[in-house]
Amino acid sequence: SAVISQKPSRDICQRGTSLTIQCQVDSQVTMMFWYRQQPGQSLTLIATANQGSEATYESGFVIDKFPISRPNLTFSTLTVSNMSPEDSSIYLCSVSQGAPETQYFGPGTRLLVL
Amino acid sequence: SQKIEQNSEALNIQEGKTATLTCNYTNYSPAYLQWYRQDPGRGPVFLLLIRENEKEKRKERLKVTFDTTLKQSLFHITASQPADSATYLCAPGGSYIPTFGRGTSLIVHP
Repeated sequence: SAVISQKPSRDICQRGTSLTIQCQVDSQVTMMFWYRQQPGQSLTLIATANQGSEATYESGFVIDKFPISRPNLTFSTLTVSNMSPEDSSIYLCSVSQGAPETQYFGPGTRLLVL
Repeated sequence: SQKIEQNSEALNIQEGKTATLTCNYTNYSPAYLQWYRQDPGRGPVFLLLIRENEKEKRKERLKVTFDTTLKQSLFHITASQPADSATYLCAPGGSYIPTFGRGTSLIVHP
């Protein structure tokens, strides 16, 4: 199974600023996923990131707010731009591996926006 | 639209009893279904996967069933322990966009 690390593990940010979250996988993967989980809620998919192409965003999420980079097959970043308190959440990256495909998650980044 | 339903209310049980969690899905024909454990503030951890042609799957104290007629999966933890307290998520699989249920919180009392 994939081992995924995320940085930072948590942060407290001021509104109007931006935070970039890094996700590193210990093996090469085609697709990486970014999720948000607000308190007491289910996982919500933000976007799917493929290496060498622009990320595909889900309804309600836009590139200007959540730009994503995918420079290689083991790394991705998600930026939360111009943050507001409503962006306070846990942000998770994940990958699919195996047959059938199973999702493996990073430990998450806990973000609090003041 | 595709929908996944898990009990939103927490399940409280006594240590040593069997916990049973339910996952119902609609407008789906998943090829398999996965169960995850999530602790507060942490990412989900994969537990078990069951394919559509499997009725039951076991792993240590865990047992999962998959009824494609009822469109339902049951997740059992036998001889439950306080350390089993967590939120358990189900995720029907087979499409490229992974979708997760809201999860059911399990609280095991000593």
